[in-house]
Amino acid sequence: SQELEQSPQSLIVQEGKNLTINCTSSKTLYGLYWYKQKYGEGLIFLMMLQKGGEEKSHEKITAKLDEKKQQSSLHITASQPSHAGIYLCGADRLEYGNKLVFGAGTILRVKS
Amino acid sequence: DAGITQSPRHKVTETGTPVTLRCHQTENHRYMYWYRQDPGHGLRLIHYSYGVKDTDKGEVSDGYSVSRSKTEDFLLTLESATSSQTSVYFCAIRLTAGPQYFGPGTRLTVL
Repeated sequence: SQELEQSPQSLIVQEGKNLTINCTSSKTLYGLYWYKQKYGEGLIFLMMLQKGGEEKSHEKITAKLDEKKQQSSLHITASQPSHAGIYLCGADRLEYGNKLVFGAGTILRVKS
Repeated sequence: DAGITQSPRHKVTETGTPVTLRCHQTENHRYMYWYRQDPGHGLRLIHYSYGVKDTDKGEVSDGYSVSRSKTEDFLLTLESATSSQTSVYFCAIRLTAGPQYFGPGTRLTVL
């Protein structure tokens, strides 16, 4: 079982539509990281969230960490084909030292 | 880009042969990691290093060994490759806290 649950596992959206991907943990998140991966390539770091209630944006992508620090959401506004790929969340765990735990990923396809 | 390269980028080998993958960083980051990524399993940590000559096992370390003789290089060795080790391998680095930065990956096929 995954310590970080991502939902949905995959989604297909029409270009221009908004979408949200969730990352849920059963434990408090001390550092939450969002990554994007295109097929056949490495993971690209998007954003880091550390404080409950924190929200960060980059271009049309907004990530939030809820007040209880057990869930994060990634919201894409007006999706474009360039947003297609796999989105993964990763998290710090106090008991893991400098290792991260990762979710299984969400596959996003954007139809033109 | 975080200054991480992996070599080779693609490799095809036969069962039973030794294979070494190299990760090189130019960032002087302390921590380095090797992951494998497989459909249905996501990213799984193989080994990691917290300094020169300081390494530890991850969750899927059987059949793999690592070495770090210099800050910038982290080698992953498959002593005797098996078909179950066919995968995409990613190296990552981390300063002390904050995000890990990933390399471009190595696609390994064991026939």
